[in-house]
Amino acid sequence: SAVISQKPSRDICQRGTSLTIQCQVDSQVTMMFWYRQQPGQSLTLIATANQGSEATYESGFVIDKFPISRPNLTFSTLTVSNMSPEDSSIYLCSVGGHGYGYTFGSGTRLTVV
Amino acid sequence: TQLLEQSPQFLSIQEGENLTVYCNSSSVFSSLQWYRQEPGEGPVLLVTVVTGGEVKKLKRLTFQFGDARKDSSLHITAAQPGDTGLYLCAGVFASKISMGNEKLTFGTGTRLTIIP
Repeated sequence: SAVISQKPSRDICQRGTSLTIQCQVDSQVTMMFWYRQQPGQSLTLIATANQGSEATYESGFVIDKFPISRPNLTFSTLTVSNMSPEDSSIYLCSVGGHGYGYTFGSGTRLTVV
Repeated sequence: TQLLEQSPQFLSIQEGENLTVYCNSSSVFSSLQWYRQEPGEGPVLLVTVVTGGEVKKLKRLTFQFGDARKDSSLHITAAQPGDTGLYLCAGVFASKISMGNEKLTFGTGTRLTIIP
């Protein structure tokens, strides 16, 4: 299975600023997924990132707030823009397919103060 | 909205006891997976089931997929402290596959604590 390197692992940010999270995969993949996990909660899909096209966002998530880049088949970034305390969460990237399971990065624990 | 409900939400038992965690939906899954997540880490895949009625075993863990592919269970025998973690079921709904959409929907999660 793929190995994902995600960084930063954690950050504390001031409200109103932006943070960019990076995910590097050790193999080429078609789709990458970005999730949010609020404290004590399960995972919620933010968007699906395909190389060469705009990301597809889930209901409740918009590109202006969570812009995503996918410059090649092994890399993606998620930016959390104009942060507020409500954005404090763990953000995770993932790759995989429904027939053989998904691999996750170790997550970015974001605290907005 | 297609939902995945897990029960119980929290479970704390003594080492050596057995337990079962349930995952239920009103919709049919194309495939279903179970993950375990430990603090500071992403979820780690335990098993994937795709066939209705399928049973898979992973050491002391037994996973069952419902005949109608709408539900699943995870049974742990003789629980150990190392089993402590957040257990998540996650599925790809069959209706989404037909639309070319393979996104994963996660269950509500079961936080398991095994007391030594």
